[in-house]
Amino acid sequence: EIVLTQSPGTLSLSPGERATLSCRASQSVFNNYFAWYQKRPGQAPRLLIYGTSSRATGIPDRFSGSGSGTDFTLTISRLEPEDFALYYCQQYGSSLQTFGGGTKVDIK
Amino acid sequence: QVQLVQSGPEVKKPGASVRVSCKASGFTFIAYVIHWVRQAPGQSFEWLGWINAGSGNTRYSQKFQGRVSIIRDTSATTAYMEVRSLRSEDTAVYYCARVGTNDAFDIWGQGTMVTVSS
Repeated sequence: EIVLTQSPGTLSLSPGERATLSCRASQSVFNNYFAWYQKRPGQAPRLLIYGTSSRATGIPDRFSGSGSGTDFTLTISRLEPEDFALYYCQQYGSSLQTFGGGTKVDIK
Repeated sequence: QVQLVQSGPEVKKPGASVRVSCKASGFTFIAYVIHWVRQAPGQSFEWLGWINAGSGNTRYSQKFQGRVSIIRDTSATTAYMEVRSLRSEDTAVYYCARVGTNDAFDIWGQGTMVTVSS
């Protein structure tokens, strides 16, 4: 099982600031099959990034993903009020898909 | 509108079974794979298994093999997930999610809260 460790656990920032979220995998992710999801309370998760760096349909370009192998990053260039939420990483390159523990982005 | 709509919340006693439905609309159901994941309170997501809505083929997490079943009804464009021998640790929000052409979960159901309590 590939274990995904997200850091930091909580990121306290102000609107307009840049957010950098990290996710480290316990082993290399096949074919960079790596995604990021946003989760707001009471809502279903929303796909932000797939294939490590491709934005999903309708996702603003302030969201970007990067990385390879075992280290992956989600960057939000300028935080908007609606971006304060939980973010989860996921690897889907192995038969047992796994998720990270989440990073909460909250308002400073 | 492309969407997955799940059945309502459930409260079950330990040892019972629960079945959650996931109704697809706005897309060709049989062309996609539907996954099920769950999120226990304060925890991250845990993958349970998937079903190919066209072929009916399934695959399960080894952790849930034998206790979870996923089926589909193509005429109803609905996937179902059943968990048997429920225990308190199964209390969670259960989600269905569609795998898109990008291989990630591009459409999610709204989630179904399953509470296991005596």
